[in-house]
Amino acid sequence: AQTVTQSQPEMSVQEAETVTLSCTYDTSESDYYLFWYKQPPSRQMILVIRQEAYKQQNATENRFSVNFQKAAKSFSLKISDSQLGDAAMYFCAFDSNYQLIWGAGTKLIIKP
Amino acid sequence: DTEVTQTPKHLVMGMTNKKSLKCEQHMGHRAMYWYKQKAKKPPELMFVYSYEKLSINESVPSRFSPECPNSSLLNLHLHALQPEDSALYLCASSQVGAPGGPDEKLFFGSGTQLSVL
Repeated sequence: AQTVTQSQPEMSVQEAETVTLSCTYDTSESDYYLFWYKQPPSRQMILVIRQEAYKQQNATENRFSVNFQKAAKSFSLKISDSQLGDAAMYFCAFDSNYQLIWGAGTKLIIKP
Repeated sequence: DTEVTQTPKHLVMGMTNKKSLKCEQHMGHRAMYWYKQKAKKPPELMFVYSYEKLSINESVPSRFSPECPNSSLLNLHLHALQPEDSALYLCASSQVGAPGGPDEKLFFGSGTQLSVL
């Protein structure tokens, strides 16, 4: 069975610092997509970043970047220069047959 | 317009009531989804419509009845719900074949917070 594991229920970081959220997954597929979604208190689920498994280069979106280790099945999210607006639940997700398998989520707290 | 609009934002209903949730998008997406999300948990897929036809039903109880009257609109009809059905109901849309694919992603609405008394 395909699974996604986020081992950090909660993380906190000082504003302007860098934080890394962890995600591991399990699959026997060789070609797939991985995602990080953010859900702020407004409740809308927002795509932060997407990684295609066949691309070795790590995806980046402004202050957000991933460390994708395919052999280790690891997909961590690094947020640089943390801002108060980054406070949210972050979900890692794996695309399986056009459906998303979700991790349990990590609550990110930004300390001013 | 890259929005998925859900109404109402909040809904309180009794166990004998009948209510409907509405979701609308004008991005030309032909796949639409209903998710249920409990507090501090990830979303759980309920239904998927592709080209206005129900393609996935994740063994959802019949007290939830989805409807896709056209390519822009998705409804979720609620009847005889239980208190454990209280949750955030999220609608999403995408091109058919997403969320995988080179340029595909799910667009989510802000949800309807449902309380069943």
